[in-house]
Amino acid sequence: DTAVSQTPKYLVTQMGNDKSIKCEQNLGHDTMYWYKQDSKKFLKIMFSYNNKELIINETVPNRFSPKSPDKAHLNLHINSLELGDSAVYFCASSQPGRSGTQYFGPGTRLTVL
Amino acid sequence: GNSVTQMEGPVTLSEEAFLTINCTYTATGYPSLFWYVQYPGEGLQLLLKATKADDKGSNKGFEATYRKETTSFHLEKGSVQVSDSAVYFCALSDRDTGTASKLTFGTGTRLQVTL
Repeated sequence: DTAVSQTPKYLVTQMGNDKSIKCEQNLGHDTMYWYKQDSKKFLKIMFSYNNKELIINETVPNRFSPKSPDKAHLNLHINSLELGDSAVYFCASSQPGRSGTQYFGPGTRLTVL
Repeated sequence: GNSVTQMEGPVTLSEEAFLTINCTYTATGYPSLFWYVQYPGEGLQLLLKATKADDKGSNKGFEATYRKETTSFHLEKGSVQVSDSAVYFCALSDRDTGTASKLTFGTGTRLQVTL
């Protein structure tokens, strides 16, 4: 019973391409997130959605566009991929509030060639 | 802005040794504090958390106490095992819109435990 799942697990693509990463949670949470982990393992929040509404947008280039068709799904679409986009992208979900634990997916390793 | 500072790794210990990973933070307001663990090739898992000053979080033999006076949340374990080898992240959650919390992570500390 996977709580937070992401597809694909690995994504290798050429510069300039457009790609999407999908995330689904079955925890019944209202809030979902995207984080980026760089090659030095540093994690930084990108976006957060609550019940399909964008709540947090951390000055991410507008080539990145999150989409939430319903509160159980938060997809990440990336246009015109650049070398610097290579990273591991993690989806997470939680209930509202600062003490709410965030549950993370297994990550998607994106490699841009 | 908020920030979390962790000791740099890697930390290499022999099995059954005592572990301390230091974590200090800077935040406005009253953050909640977390330790997450990332095993090789996997996502992050919550290890423990504390939501207010003097709270102690504990799980799987790991402990950390929320110290407001020193703005610290050091992770400790009395006797590590090889299976504890992983990257450990300290994090805080401060911004609370009522619907979403923003986690600010430290840089992570890699722990390697040998026989």
